[in-house]
Amino acid sequence: EVQLVETGGGLIQPGGSLRLSCAASGFTVSNNYMSWVRQAPGKGLEWVSIIYSGGNTYYADSVKGRFTISRDNSKNTLFLQMNSLRAEDTAVYYCARDLHSSGWFYFDYWGQGTLVTVSS
Amino acid sequence: DIQMTQSPSSLSASVGDRVTITCRASQSISSYLHWYQQKPGKAPKLLMYAASSLQSGVPSRFSGSGSGTDFTLTISSLQPEDFATYYCQQSYTTPRTFGQGTKLEIK
Repeated sequence: EVQLVETGGGLIQPGGSLRLSCAASGFTVSNNYMSWVRQAPGKGLEWVSIIYSGGNTYYADSVKGRFTISRDNSKNTLFLQMNSLRAEDTAVYYCARDLHSSGWFYFDYWGQGTLVTVSS
Repeated sequence: DIQMTQSPSSLSASVGDRVTITCRASQSISSYLHWYQQKPGKAPKLLMYAASSLQSGVPSRFSGSGSGTDFTLTISSLQPEDFATYYCQQSYTTPRTFGQGTKLEIK
């Protein structure tokens, strides 16, 4: 059974750093594209970052230069290092598998989300 | 970046109604268009992929159509569990982008 479990959220002051983890089971993270998607309170979904199976990484303009996506193949875990946090980064952060199937890419499995609150 | 625009932003309907939600892309995305359902406090759930393919386990009252820039999600006969927010999303390019969502409420 495929499962994604995010941890690491919490309350952090503006300018601070936080690292989110997403532990995967039932599939191999390094063989898949993996994304982080966030949702500010009462708002819609915003894609944040992706890591390809080959290791290439991409970011939304809103987080570029501040966030870093990575993975630990030995732990089958995805990470999001978030630095220089701002109030507008407050959101529930989801990890999702960006499944490549028959030429299509889509988010077929999502974690339960972890809340990051940036406030003084 | 490709912009995704959904309409309407909210919709009131009754159990048994047929409803259609529209998603428009700012440029052609072929059929790289997917639909998700989200209920309050829960993660999004994949409903449809590649514009018209039903994800395993999703009821057949959901259907999708379209290609290029214009897409629709149709629920043929609303059930109480269908009241939720629906999002379209394109994977034609990175950055992946979502529509702003359509909140489906009980009339």
